[in-house]
Amino acid sequence: GESVGLHLPTLSVQEGDNSIINCAYSNSASDYFIWYKQESGKGPQFIIDIRSNMDKRQGQRVTVLLNKTVKHLSLQIAATQPGDSAVYFCAEGPYSGGGADGLTFGKGTHLIIQP
Amino acid sequence: DTGVSQDPRHKITKRGQNVTFRCDPISEHNRLYWYRQTLGQGPEFLTYFQNEAQLEKSRLLSDRFSAERPKGSFSTLEIQRTEQGDSAMYLCASSLYASGEYEQYFGPGTRLTVT
Repeated sequence: GESVGLHLPTLSVQEGDNSIINCAYSNSASDYFIWYKQESGKGPQFIIDIRSNMDKRQGQRVTVLLNKTVKHLSLQIAATQPGDSAVYFCAEGPYSGGGADGLTFGKGTHLIIQP
Repeated sequence: DTGVSQDPRHKITKRGQNVTFRCDPISEHNRLYWYRQTLGQGPEFLTYFQNEAQLEKSRLLSDRFSAERPKGSFSTLEIQRTEQGDSAMYLCASSLYASGEYEQYFGPGTRLTVT
């Protein structure tokens, strides 16, 4: 896999490689961050979230990293599979509201898995 | 299927007509959200409810947009006097507002086309 620049709309990786999707957020008051996966014709699907009092959180094959100093969020997907092909969105929200208020989404990155 | 459901999945209407969309959240979820998503963009938050109370509606796009959740279960989003710029995917999400539970689960969306 390869690290991509911020706001790059498309990332193509070989099946089995690791991928890293980056996101910049704008509101320094945001303290709840989420990654969603959206497949064509479907609604966004929750992947993983992280609170601002953490800098790393791991799930199944996914890891989210948070760098509050530079307001940067990344999603790492290990051993990518064809089913990982989708558009990935980062979203931010206010933890003070329990993350239950409206989320602010980024523009998304289209991840393409090459066989 | 116990996920968020939306009806209809597709709606084609002529400019100037009124349209109404329905969202049925996950049954035990007390918060319900509406978002709009245009092509190539992330979802944009519109409004949300906790039970039957609409807690945020300043983000509705204009006074032609309104939402209700009369019994704290399903919700409707109405757009009056539709314009071509209203063409988009309208997404509904729900969450259980409780300690440690902040994930918003999205439905498949209603795609609106205004001709």
